[in-house]
Amino acid sequence: GDSVTQMEGPVTLSEEAFLTINCTYTATGYPSLFWYVQYPGEGLQLLLKATKADDKGSNKGFEATYRKETTSFHLEKGSVQVSDSAVYFCALSDLYNNNDMRFGAGTRLTVKP
Amino acid sequence: NAGVTQTPKFRVLKTGQSMTLLCAQDMNHEYMYWYRQDPGMGLRLIHYSVGEGTTAKGEVPDGYNVSRLKKQNFLLGLESAAPSQTSVYFCASSWSQRGNQPQHFGDGTRLSIL
Repeated sequence: GDSVTQMEGPVTLSEEAFLTINCTYTATGYPSLFWYVQYPGEGLQLLLKATKADDKGSNKGFEATYRKETTSFHLEKGSVQVSDSAVYFCALSDLYNNNDMRFGAGTRLTVKP
Repeated sequence: NAGVTQTPKFRVLKTGQSMTLLCAQDMNHEYMYWYRQDPGMGLRLIHYSVGEGTTAKGEVPDGYNVSRLKKQNFLLGLESAAPSQTSVYFCASSWSQRGNQPQHFGDGTRLSIL
């Protein structure tokens, strides 16, 4: 079945460092790809998405490009802030069936001043 | 704009007790979902609903029941709680079944079974 594998954490960075969190997927059909962020004590919030190959999702300085040839959707940010400290989830959903969204295990990011 | 609201936020139960978790959404979404979040495992789908009066099993449905009597509410029940059900439970909703639409999440219910 469809699945998502993402980089294990935790990840600790200094403020203004470059961030990459790797995500690869296995899917049949036409998957859409998502990054969700979970701040402490809160639910998941959509960070960005991409719905077809070569699409780039972006939001709040974060970017991820849907790479069909490498089945990847890596999350990047050029300069992280303390406020970016959170858990990041990569997720996949089949275009025709949102009732089976698959999530990665999550990567905890801590940014130190 | 409340979005998705979960009640309660925290609960401690003894093994064998029962309880119901409530999820309410004010976005008029047709589709609703219950997930559990466990360390190192991401979110796993327990049950979902594609509309009022309908429910279906997800990846890990055993030990749980659900009901969707009103479009805005989706209830998750534990009839006889077990320690293996200690987890954080998230409710989500979506306006479309198409996979290119995101799900909207509540803040979660942290449940401990002793």
